[in-house]
Amino acid sequence: EPEVTQTPSHQVTQMGQEVILRCVPISNHLYFYWYRQILGQKVEFLVSFYNNEISEKSEIFDDQFSVERPDGSNFTLKIRSTKLEDSAMYFCASSGDMGQGYTFGSGTRLTVV
Amino acid sequence: AQKITQTQPGMFVQEKEAVTLDCTYDTSDQSYGLFWYKQPSSGEMIFLIYQGSYDEQNATEGRYSLNFQKARKSANLVISASQLGDSAMYFCAMRVTTGRRALTFGSGTRLQVQP
Repeated sequence: EPEVTQTPSHQVTQMGQEVILRCVPISNHLYFYWYRQILGQKVEFLVSFYNNEISEKSEIFDDQFSVERPDGSNFTLKIRSTKLEDSAMYFCASSGDMGQGYTFGSGTRLTVV
Repeated sequence: AQKITQTQPGMFVQEKEAVTLDCTYDTSDQSYGLFWYKQPSSGEMIFLIYQGSYDEQNATEGRYSLNFQKARKSANLVISASQLGDSAMYFCAMRVTTGRRALTFGSGTRLQVQP
């Protein structure tokens, strides 16, 4: 069964450093997403990406965040200058044209120290 | 804006018993989809079941069924014959099918299955 692959599974970074979280969505999916889940809390939408541009973003997705699809297979989330409160599980997801088929990756646990 | 409410922070069920996890939603859109995801302690999000707002029958997937009551705006998940491996967090989520494609999640219910 096709899956969404995320790397790394766990990343520890110093406050103020830049991090890049990587995702390989399902190849024939058209929409890509990043969500985050602070420990013990609900999953929150960050951004969606379609046709090589951001289609929607939440208020969480401020100027320190950016997304990119650099090579047609990878989909990345960059956090420019990490803060302690960025510590969370970050999930990548992708979906096809129809609304049902969301597939989540297994997540990257980001710890900012 | 969409909103999902899960009022049960935690639930216990005996192995082999059925359990219902509650979910209510709020949206002004007529066309939407409802999802349930399971999140075990390992952290991944596992899709369980989907219900479209125009689906006339309740969705079923193996031991999972969705009790969809449109007038009450509820989409409860029923797990039959609970197994120890069902112990996990369960999230209800929704998206509208026009415009915004992002999922809106509830706060989750932690289910513990007891032997």
